[in-house]
Amino acid sequence: ILNVEQSPQSLHVQEGDSTNFTCSFPSSNFYALHWYRWETAKSPEALFVMTLNGDEKKKGRISATLNTKEGYSYLYIKGSQPEDSATYLCAYSNAGGTSYGKLTFGQGTILTVHP
Amino acid sequence: KAGVTQTPRYLIKTRGQQVTLSCSPISGHRSVSWYQQTPGQGLQFLFEYFSETQRNKGNFPGRFSGRQFSNSRSEMNVSTLELGDSALYLCASSRQGGKITEAFFGQGTRLTVV
Repeated sequence: ILNVEQSPQSLHVQEGDSTNFTCSFPSSNFYALHWYRWETAKSPEALFVMTLNGDEKKKGRISATLNTKEGYSYLYIKGSQPEDSATYLCAYSNAGGTSYGKLTFGQGTILTVHP
Repeated sequence: KAGVTQTPRYLIKTRGQQVTLSCSPISGHRSVSWYQQTPGQGLQFLFEYFSETQRNKGNFPGRFSGRQFSNSRSEMNVSTLELGDSALYLCASSRQGGKITEAFFGQGTRLTVV
């Protein structure tokens, strides 16, 4: 994997369903993996920053896991609500010395939760 | 506290013109990064400034430039605009611009080149 890839591109679920998305990133030279939620007409909002292999983070009904050895992260949403509808972005920062302030983003997963 | 403020929110320019976009970071944040989002593309990194110095630059032509002032506000300039420069431009601020630092984004400036 040379770039950050997210799947699926879009997802439609019913209210109350649980769902998950995948982010794949280069496993070499890894430093951190970020997840953002981006609602229409708003700013991207940081959800998690993860650095350690096996890391798990949780915020309410949303959680994320990280596998740095194989280069993937999962984002889970339990009991989806219409207000969870947004684009979910993952972004990778590498350990290179010149990577300050630079996040490499995937194209995002667009989640639509139907009432 | 006030969030990241970008001005203007919308802009229409003609090919060949130049444009300047502004970003005011959160108070106390010294790092400002700029990103471009075009249809079908993810957020692409343009450059990052910290304490008035450009520390990092993405793969964009020299028509894209920026600067940062002593109060950490940043401006981005695009000269000789092309139709392909039509995009949403986002800036993000953080305290130090470190690799695990949470970045806070503005709402963006939507630039349309006609």
